[in-house]
Amino acid sequence: GDSVTQMEGPVTLSEEAFLTINCTYTATGYPSLFWYVQYPGEGLQLLLKATKADDKGSNKGFEATYRKETTSFHLEKGSVQVSDSAVYFCALKSGNKLIFGAGTRLAVHP
Amino acid sequence: NAGVTQTPKFQVLKTGQSMTLQCAQDMNHEYMSWYRQDPGMGLRLIHYSVGAGITDQGEVPNGYNVSRSTTEDFPLRLLSAAPSQTSVYFCASRERGSSSGRARSADTQYFGPGTRLTVL
Repeated sequence: GDSVTQMEGPVTLSEEAFLTINCTYTATGYPSLFWYVQYPGEGLQLLLKATKADDKGSNKGFEATYRKETTSFHLEKGSVQVSDSAVYFCALKSGNKLIFGAGTRLAVHP
Repeated sequence: NAGVTQTPKFQVLKTGQSMTLQCAQDMNHEYMSWYRQDPGMGLRLIHYSVGAGITDQGEVPNGYNVSRSTTEDFPLRLLSAAPSQTSVYFCASRERGSSSGRARSADTQYFGPGTRLTVL
């Protein structure tokens, strides 16, 4: 079945460092791909999405490009802030369902 | 719009007790879902609904019941709580998609703030 694999955390970075969180997927067809973010004590919020190959989703300085050839949707940010500390989930839409990765916790220190 | 609301925020149950987690949305979304979040396992789908009167099982449905009598509400019932059901529960909703180009804009799910449940 369809699945999402993302890098294990936690990821610990200093402020202004470059961030990459890897995400790969297995799916039939061309699913929509998503990154959701969960701040401490809150529900999930959509961070960005891409709906077809080579699309780039972007929001709040984060970017991810839909790579069909490598079945990947890696999340990047050029300069992280302390306020980016959260858990990040990669997900794909499979039929009526949203399939999530296990989540990657990011901790950014001043 | 209030978006997706969930009650209660916290709940402690004893093994064998029953309870209902409430979920409501005011966005007229047809699709609603319940997930549980456990450490290291991401979110797993419990049950979902594609419209009023229609529900289906997700990945981990055992021990839970749902019903969808209105578009707005999608309660999750624990029939006989077990310690394995200790988790954080999230309700989500989204628009109905279609085979047309508008389908992609309906992909976004909106999540409630969650209910933290502990079963002793």
